[in-house]
Amino acid sequence: EAQVTQNPRYLITVTGKKLTVTCSQNMNHEYMSWYRQDPGLGLRQIYYSMNVEVTDKGDVPEGYKVSRKEKRNFPLILESPSPNQTSLYFCASSLGGGFYEQYFGPGTRLTVT
Amino acid sequence: AQKITQTQPGMFVQEKEAVTLDCTYDTSDQSYGLFWYKQPSSGEMIFLIYQGSYDEQNATEGRYSLNFQKARKSANLVISASQLGDSAMYFCAMIFVSGGYQKVTFGTGTKLQVIP
Repeated sequence: EAQVTQNPRYLITVTGKKLTVTCSQNMNHEYMSWYRQDPGLGLRQIYYSMNVEVTDKGDVPEGYKVSRKEKRNFPLILESPSPNQTSLYFCASSLGGGFYEQYFGPGTRLTVT
Repeated sequence: AQKITQTQPGMFVQEKEAVTLDCTYDTSDQSYGLFWYKQPSSGEMIFLIYQGSYDEQNATEGRYSLNFQKARKSANLVISASQLGDSAMYFCAMIFVSGGYQKVTFGTGTKLQVIP
């Protein structure tokens, strides 16, 4: 089954404790992206990757890091989480280089206290 | 910079009626793609419909159609014969691609509630 998986689905952590949210897709997609969803703000792109070792900032990259060492994986790293990073996070993937629908993961609800 | 505006935070529609969800966009680029996604209360994001900026005909997918007016920079979603299962958040999104650059911008969403 074609899918995007994210782990963990729920996470409660404390300020400053490094964490990683994993994202994996099995569709051989070139393009992968991370979004955060906040009430009243919709989804905002954090980082995206056009292919292995190619990443770029989205609209809200501050406080986040990403890496793309393999085509299927695109982890999101919060090195020192703060309460304003409490949000619902989505990973998505699509074919690259054009206007293709994105396939979304189930979301990760992160709470930083 | 690209911007998507959805001016209707919430809407109600009677079951079996048609409803239009508004989406306007702002870009100086000539080539872009417009998408609509549905997010039910369960939280997943579901792709509904796509319109390319050079497509001359409005896109349709079953009960969904996209009313694309390029000169007005609008890409409204029309849902015909609303069903209770259409109650959800709806997001309009735009993709801009240029060389090694592919950014996605979403609107703030419209919460649609279908009344029996």
